Amino acid sequence: QKEVEQDPGPLSVPEGAIVSLNCTYSNSAFQYFMWYRQYSRKGPELLMYTYSSGNKEDGRFTAQVDKSSKYISLFIRDSQPSDSATYLCAMSAKGDYKLSFGAGTTVTVRA
Amino acid sequence: ETGVTQSPTHLIKTRGQQVTLRCSSQSGHNTVSWYQQALGQGPQFIFQYYREEENGRGNFPPRFSGLQFPNYSSELNVNALELDDSALYLCASSFNTVGANVLTFGAGSRLTVL
Repeated sequence: QKEVEQDPGPLSVPEGAIVSLNCTYSNSAFQYFMWYRQYSRKGPELLMYTYSSGNKEDGRFTAQVDKSSKYISLFIRDSQPSDSATYLCAMSAKGDYKLSFGAGTTVTVRA
Repeated sequence: ETGVTQSPTHLIKTRGQQVTLRCSSQSGHNTVSWYQQALGQGPQFIFQYYREEENGRGNFPPRFSGLQFPNYSSELNVNALELDDSALYLCASSFNTVGANVLTFGAGSRLTVL
């Protein structure tokens, strides 16, 4: 079993739809949770960062963490074609030097 | 403020050869991490360098080695290349501090081993 599980998709939605992405994990020591966006042939760029449980909103993006269920989510409202990318969840334990990534979910927003 | 830059962007090697990949960290960052991203997979941690010393290592064999220089730039060396080493190699820099390891990634070096 992988430490971080993420459905690779692909996910295709019409412009304006809500995109829902999620990851599950097995390591209860994880306390920092991130979402990265990776465009084709580019490196990952940080979208959202959350510490411990709770919600965080930034513009059209909302990140949720449920540590009791070991489940994290990212919601993208009013999706745009420019949101078409691969979304990677990542997490780490306190004081850890590495991030553990999911496999990434490929999202296409159709105009 | 410059971001993380990596070179070369693409390269092709044959089995058994050696490769060196280079990375310049973002201004103000003192820690460099290297990740391997196989096609369709998430990045896998190789190792991290802080103060010119290896600060942690993932599940990669010793033929993967690295260096960090006084200006915080870094190299990743891979000896005796195997076909499975074909991947995107990502360098990421950060500022070593208590708390989350928030990384800034470069665009990567895409290695093909034939």
